[in-house]
Amino acid sequence: SQQGEEDPQALSIQEGENATMNCSYKTSINNLQWYRQNSGRGLVHLILIRSNEREKHSGRLRVTLDTSKKSSSLLITASRAADTASYFCATDLAGYNTDKLIFGTGTRLQVFP
Amino acid sequence: GAVVSQHPSRVICKSGTSVKIECRSLDFQATTMFWYRQFPKQSLMLMATSNEGSKATYEQGVEKDKFLINHASLTLSTLTVTSAHPEDSSFYICSARVPSYEQYFGPGTRLTVT
Repeated sequence: SQQGEEDPQALSIQEGENATMNCSYKTSINNLQWYRQNSGRGLVHLILIRSNEREKHSGRLRVTLDTSKKSSSLLITASRAADTASYFCATDLAGYNTDKLIFGTGTRLQVFP
Repeated sequence: GAVVSQHPSRVICKSGTSVKIECRSLDFQATTMFWYRQFPKQSLMLMATSNEGSKATYEQGVEKDKFLINHASLTLSTLTVTSAHPEDSSFYICSARVPSYEQYFGPGTRLTVT
């Protein structure tokens, strides 16, 4: 399977703490994206990082990408209860003329007030 | 921003019947749309890529005669689950790609087959 792996599978923290989730993938990519999904809902795009970028910030989100290790991390700082959701990384496939995204297994984050 | 809608949001049908799910891009034209299915507490699995005006491209293991996809216009793609079985019960999500490589996702359709 080309599906990426994420860890941890589940993460529980208190409000105000930072949450870090990791994504590993198997093939060369053009870019990597992170999405959030609230229970039973669609996906919300959070951030896109291109293969020639190493770090990107958006508000309380910080994403890193290490193409040599085929891994990425998503850091949510000063977490809030509203951050409770599942988080997925998604990669495209470099060298393939396709727009397909391959999703990771996801991390379920719970932030307690 | 780019908005993708799906209809219906929930549907319950009996085994053996067919169900159509619509995916619309509301404020942009999408030459390519994607259909995913998601089982509880699992990730999204791509089912097929829907291209306007041409046949859909199905992923390995997805039965194209069972999951009929029609992308009749630049703003509408439909997924029809034919002869539905209880194991087809799932959350179906569509997405549409914009040129910046981002995909915008619909809110999903919960299908329950009884």
